[in-house]
Amino acid sequence: NAGVTQTPKFRILKIGQSMTLQCTQDMNHNYMYWYRQDPGMGLKLIYYSVGAGITDKGEVPNGYNVSRSTTEDFPLRLELAAPSQTSVYFCASSYQERETQYFGPGTRLLVL
Amino acid sequence: GQNIDQPTEMTATEGAIVQINCTYQTSGFNGLFWYQQHAGEAPTFLSYNVLDGLEEKGRFSSFLSRSKGYSYLLLKELQMKDSASYLCAVIDSNYQLIWGAGTKLIIKP
Repeated sequence: NAGVTQTPKFRILKIGQSMTLQCTQDMNHNYMYWYRQDPGMGLKLIYYSVGAGITDKGEVPNGYNVSRSTTEDFPLRLELAAPSQTSVYFCASSYQERETQYFGPGTRLLVL
Repeated sequence: GQNIDQPTEMTATEGAIVQINCTYQTSGFNGLFWYQQHAGEAPTFLSYNVLDGLEEKGRFSSFLSRSKGYSYLLLKELQMKDSASYLCAVIDSNYQLIWGAGTKLIIKP
């Protein structure tokens, strides 16, 4: 099992550009999450999904969008990138909501 | 609001014992996690507490007191590879995971 995989590992965007961060898990987990982590800060939940076709906002959803068309994939879309979106983005998954979350390796995004 | 407090940074000596505290104020409680995060890497699961008391797992133990809104992570026989950030996270009444900012642990020889 590969676990949770994320692409790309690192990306530089210009202000106003768009991109999609990819996340895939092969553990048949129902729950998937997108977090951002700023330097010296805790993880902030952007969006989460409890199953295919169901998504919901987390603590910091503005400027982002998600979709969950399959159990395995949970892409995060950034429209009109802003410098405030410079961060490390982690995707995670869990079988149920109270269970351990497994994290992908992260995507480092720099918006200039 | 919801709040999780951990010390920002701690320093300890190789071979020693260190206790990392976490206090929380959340809307409800459905469990508490400790994760380890090495610099530049993803968090990895260490422990889960939902009932009061001590959970021991090798060199690592985690304690919970729900009435005090308090947990600690105890690391024994410290090794250089234990240098990392340790994140406390609480599941609230909406089953959302609320994360602390993490404690950076520096191990000195």
